[in-house]
Amino acid sequence: QKEVEQNSGPLSVPEGAIASLNCTYSDRGSQSFFWYRQYSGKSPELIMSIYSNGDKEDGRFTAQLNKASQYVSLLIRDSQPSDSATYLCAVATSGSARQLTFGSGTQLTVLP
Amino acid sequence: GAGVSQSPSNKVTEKGKDVELRCDPISGHTALYWYRQSLGQGLEFLIYFQGNSAPDKSGLPSDRFSAERTGGSVSTLTIQRTQQEDSAVYLCASRKEKPDTQYFGPGTRLTVL
Repeated sequence: QKEVEQNSGPLSVPEGAIASLNCTYSDRGSQSFFWYRQYSGKSPELIMSIYSNGDKEDGRFTAQLNKASQYVSLLIRDSQPSDSATYLCAVATSGSARQLTFGSGTQLTVLP
Repeated sequence: GAGVSQSPSNKVTEKGKDVELRCDPISGHTALYWYRQSLGQGLEFLIYFQGNSAPDKSGLPSDRFSAERTGGSVSTLTIQRTQQEDSAVYLCASRKEKPDTQYFGPGTRLTVL
């Protein structure tokens, strides 16, 4: 069974700090990796995608991918209270459907 | 442009009734997915449509669940003889090919009494 594991949290950080979220996956053939943010009662919102090894930066967000270690991470710099949400790591399967397998999510709280 | 839309946003039904949930994907996206999010199971894949190809139904939990996609666009997920364990949020996503990215609709919250 193809799995995605996230550090379970919950995670609390003070405003302005760096929040670090981690994820490992089991499907070595996966090529596409995503971080979704989900506010309570809302649907997942894509915040980062990454497809090759290394870092990808977008504003305050940096995604890191290491395919050899089967590891994906998300760093949120200068965390804001509005970043408080559940963060879902998702990996597209290596089959033709490329459906997403999700981790259980990490609940992040940014304290003012 | 417009995102993925779903209807209804909320559906309350009695056990044993049939329900239909609708998804309208982003224009131009040929791939469409249904997922289900429940407290006990997290977010799980149900079914996948790609163009005119036969759907991948490998995630459907029972034969009470079925889905169709008409004209390569709008999709309907049907749950027959609903059970209380079907209560969940049903999410539709459409996929952009390059780069490979899925965008979710707002979901339909189904409650089976």
